[in-house]
Amino acid sequence: DAKTTQPNSMESNEEEPVHLPCNHSTISGTDYIHWYRQLPSQGPEYVIHGLTSNVNNRMASLAIAEDRKSSTLILHRATLRDAAVYYCILRPMNDYKLSFGAGTTVTVRA
Amino acid sequence: DAGVTQSPTHLIKTRGQQVTLRCSPKSGHDTVSWYQQALGQGPQFIFQYYEEEERQRGNFPDRFSGHQFPNYSSELNVNALLLGDSALYLCASSRLRTDTQYFGPGTRLTVL
Repeated sequence: DAKTTQPNSMESNEEEPVHLPCNHSTISGTDYIHWYRQLPSQGPEYVIHGLTSNVNNRMASLAIAEDRKSSTLILHRATLRDAAVYYCILRPMNDYKLSFGAGTTVTVRA
Repeated sequence: DAGVTQSPTHLIKTRGQQVTLRCSPKSGHDTVSWYQQALGQGPQFIFQYYEEEERQRGNFPDRFSGHQFPNYSSELNVNALLLGDSALYLCASSRLRTDTQYFGPGTRLTVL
């Protein structure tokens, strides 16, 4: 499985943007980039995914580098509810599983 | 619309026993995946079921087995429990050929 590298932790202030980096230098052309998050005492929750182009949805934006070796998840205005572990995952096109790493623990200060 | 549900919420077993965990997928979903999450770690893929067949399996021993029923619900069975099997067991459902998996709240298994 292609590997991702994320910082262990990040802190942010409420109502400020959060930029979560993910390195995936061994990504292949058919690997999708997925982001999930896990709030305390809950199962993981889908955030966003993309292949080559930047993506936006109601929760976040995903910026993908031109060479696809890195990506950034952007939370535009952090709230206390966004405090969670964020996982960056590469999923090959014909693979069904999600391969979670350790993720980034995001803390939001009021 | 109910999301993914799992039962029981918590379970305590002793070494050597067997356990069955249950999952009901989100309405309209036909595919169920199971994950194990040890404390402080990310979830690890156990297997995925579609059309009552195991479609893909992760790196888990044969003590871990599963089943999917015609109504798409699923069971995870673990035999000969070890202390290391203590973990949060997560079920996720999805529709075939879609990318998003929806997770349930999990079952916390403690093996003493």
